Amino acid sequence: AQTVTQSQPEMSVQEAETVTLSCTYDTSESDYYLFWYKQPPSRQMILVIRQEAYKQQNATENRFSVNFQKAAKSFSLKISDSQLGDAAMYFCAYRSLGAGSYQLTFGKGTKLSVIP
Amino acid sequence: GAGVSQSPSNKVTEKGKDVELRCDPISGHTALYWYRQSLGQGLEFLIYFQGNSAPDKSGLPSDRFSAERTGGSVSTLTIQRTQQEDSAVYLCASSLVEGSYEQYFGPGTRLTVT
Repeated sequence: AQTVTQSQPEMSVQEAETVTLSCTYDTSESDYYLFWYKQPPSRQMILVIRQEAYKQQNATENRFSVNFQKAAKSFSLKISDSQLGDAAMYFCAYRSLGAGSYQLTFGKGTKLSVIP
Repeated sequence: GAGVSQSPSNKVTEKGKDVELRCDPISGHTALYWYRQSLGQGLEFLIYFQGNSAPDKSGLPSDRFSAERTGGSVSTLTIQRTQQEDSAVYLCASSLVEGSYEQYFGPGTRLTVT
């Protein structure tokens, strides 16, 4: 079974600065997806960014980018130019590519605060 | 278009009572997932439905939990004889097809068992 670990329960960042959230995972599979989801107080889970394991290039979505280290099983999220609206819980998630195994496995989350 | 909707938004129930939580997926989405988010925990997979196939119930924590999906659309998660440890946010997600990488989440139902 896969596991996802987020070792930082809480983080804070000054507005306009950069912050990196950490995530490690354990799997015996070679192909899979990794995701970062954002959950604001409204509870709505929002997909921030995804990474396919077979792609060496790190995914980027505007101010959000990842550092994917497959051998180390590490998948960190970098948020540049932090904004007040970035304050939320952030969850790292893993999804297998195997048929019938499409559910997401989540870490316990990191609560990000943005200081004005 | 409309997103995933869930009802009720909040539910308070007494220990031992049964509760039903409802999920309306995005129209046309064939895959539907239920997750549970306990305080301070990540999301825990409960069950998923794909079309007319038998659901994957491997995440259900006990036989007090069950779910059905009628007509390939609306789903109901039922918890019988609720316990205090059932208190959590129950999130539903749907995706276009089973293998779609993106799951779209609803706002969840916060269940409190007193």
